[in-house]
Amino acid sequence: GENVEQHPSTLSVQEGDSAVIKCTYSDSASNYFPWYKQELGKRPQLIIDIRSNVGEKKDQRIAVTLNKTAKHFSLHITETQPEDSAVYFCAGRDTGRRALTFGSGTRLQVQP
Amino acid sequence: DTGVSQNPRHKITKRGQNVTFRCDPISEHNRLYWYRQTLGQGPEFLTYFQNEAQLEKSRLLSDRFSAERPKGSFSTLEIQRTEQGDSAMYLCASSPGLADYNEQFFGPGTRLTVL
Repeated sequence: GENVEQHPSTLSVQEGDSAVIKCTYSDSASNYFPWYKQELGKRPQLIIDIRSNVGEKKDQRIAVTLNKTAKHFSLHITETQPEDSAVYFCAGRDTGRRALTFGSGTRLQVQP
Repeated sequence: DTGVSQNPRHKITKRGQNVTFRCDPISEHNRLYWYRQTLGQGPEFLTYFQNEAQLEKSRLLSDRFSAERPKGSFSTLEIQRTEQGDSAMYLCASSPGLADYNEQFFGPGTRLTVL
């Protein structure tokens, strides 16, 4: 089955700087890769996702890149703000299944 | 609130007792998922329903766990003979339609503590 590894586990940046979180996956048949943001005590919420037929997707300050050959994908947040502070989870889903396999999370702290 | 709802939000039980959680998905969402999340980890998949049919089950779902979605709307997750290792946040999610890439919308979770 799918295995998703995520790093770093914690990331601290200054407000206005960029943040990058990286994930690798094991199943070359995986075709969908969402990113979720989870604030303390709250439910995970989708912030961006990418399909395997696309190399990059951007939504305002957030972008995701996918390298299928290397089986890794990354989340990029530019111009970070204190409200970006949260735990971010990457996930992958292989073809033919509906379940998501999540990474272990990255705690992002944006220092004002 | 038209999002996914879960009840109860918190449950404290003694080891060996049975517990049941309920999930109400977003109206007309065909797909419903159960995940378990322990502190400092990402959600782990437990099981998935499309309408009333349970189509996927994780190996994490031991025979003490059972899930139902009898009318294709709300779902229940029951844990029998609870163990301390069952302590976790149990998350429900739902997604619409039959397309492959629909976003999974998560509920607030039920936090289970087994004493």
